[in-house]
Amino acid sequence: QQPVQSPQAVILREGEDAVINCSSSKALYSVHWYRQKHGEAPVFLMILLKGGEQKGHDKISASFNEKKQQSSLYLTASQLSYSGTYFCGTDYSGGSNYKLTFGKGTLLTVNP
Amino acid sequence: DADVTQTPRNRITKTGKRIMLECSQTKGHDRMYWYRQDPGLGLRLIYYSFDVKDINKGEISDGYSVSRQAQAKFSLSLESAIPNQTALYFCATSATSGETYNEQFFGPGTRLTVL
Repeated sequence: QQPVQSPQAVILREGEDAVINCSSSKALYSVHWYRQKHGEAPVFLMILLKGGEQKGHDKISASFNEKKQQSSLYLTASQLSYSGTYFCGTDYSGGSNYKLTFGKGTLLTVNP
Repeated sequence: DADVTQTPRNRITKTGKRIMLECSQTKGHDRMYWYRQDPGLGLRLIYYSFDVKDINKGEISDGYSVSRQAQAKFSLSLESAIPNQTALYFCATSATSGETYNEQFFGPGTRLTVL
């Protein structure tokens, strides 16, 4: 089941903040965030694991609410380079049988 | 640099033709994936492979087949292409250990058009 991302699109001015949400109707083992710039391949941002462990880039922050099966990605003091489509990928299986189900994406546009 | 490469980068073909998309990686990763991306639908998993002898269907495997020829090579085939298989196809890899454990590294994509 595909996770639901919100909002579908957001437009910011440089320096503003944004939050992108990812919700699942099934219990999650982990949530993964990727960013895809126009015409390019997706690039890894962060992994959040059940139990609180996180791994990712220093300038990106995110949360994972296991009870609500939700994750949020926080983009603060946005820069022009933050523009792109953000995807969350959810892992329902855990353990060694690892594969992701991606949401439809959130298009973030940062203007000067 | 260690990398994930895909060939061809663009392909236009006709309905009914057999097409093969190839993916090679120099990262030494065991896990490889094929995704399809359509506008507004995100990335959908077609097939994935955890090693040469372990190949699994993803969400949308109908109409596709794969071959893992070696640890570094994973090919996607469309036996008889149809127009609704027009999409952007990505190959990805991931490691089972180390600093980048479970991060997926994507190739540049293959844009396939079926007329």
